[in-house]
Amino acid sequence: DTAVSQTPKYLVTQMGNDKSIKCEQNLGHDTMYWYKQDSKKFLKIMFSYNNKELIINETVPNRFSPKSPDKAHLNLHINSLELGDSAVYFCASSQERQPSTDTQYFGPGTRLTVL
Amino acid sequence: AQSVAQPEDQVNVAEGNPLTVKCTYSVSGNPYLFWYVQYPNRGLQFLLKYITGDNLVKGSYGFEAEFNKSQTSFHLKKPSALVSDSALYFCAVRDRPRPGSARQLTFGSGTQLTVLP
Repeated sequence: DTAVSQTPKYLVTQMGNDKSIKCEQNLGHDTMYWYKQDSKKFLKIMFSYNNKELIINETVPNRFSPKSPDKAHLNLHINSLELGDSAVYFCASSQERQPSTDTQYFGPGTRLTVL
Repeated sequence: AQSVAQPEDQVNVAEGNPLTVKCTYSVSGNPYLFWYVQYPNRGLQFLLKYITGDNLVKGSYGFEAEFNKSQTSFHLKKPSALVSDSALYFCAVRDRPRPGSARQLTFGSGTQLTVLP
């Protein structure tokens, strides 16, 4: 029944490691997003994919690379993790092509802690 | 560039009293406006949105919001607060869809609502 799911929920890792976060949506939406929420709870868009095509790529380090194998999945791979990458990462999805939902639906988040 | 301001980091209200969480926005053209709520250690839950039509929008859990174009505001309201309403509330804005435009939501900084028993 989960509309937007993310794995893992918690991720604790050492500096310098490479890790991936997975996201899946079963809503049939055509657009998916990654957001980062910092320690002050501020939310900022990182990436957006529409029909497997990258359409938003905000100023994030190129250590972050999104991968969309199909419309229902958008994974986030992070290379050479740094302390400042510690945050909660949220996946979201929406339907942009008509009939559009106009609304983004969020996953439960992945809390990444870099030691 | 679009932006959202939530001027209050914290709002405290007694249970049973009306609550208001403030939001003002800046966007070129007519906006799409949203409210989301985040409970501790949870994801964001959609509460309500304004796209067009009636300026008073009703949403989940008895919340409503009023779109005021002249004041560029979209304040969240509830007539009678519950302790269970205590959470972090985010206002968000996006441009109306048009070819080539970004689809991103821009969020405010969030307002922590605490309802006191």
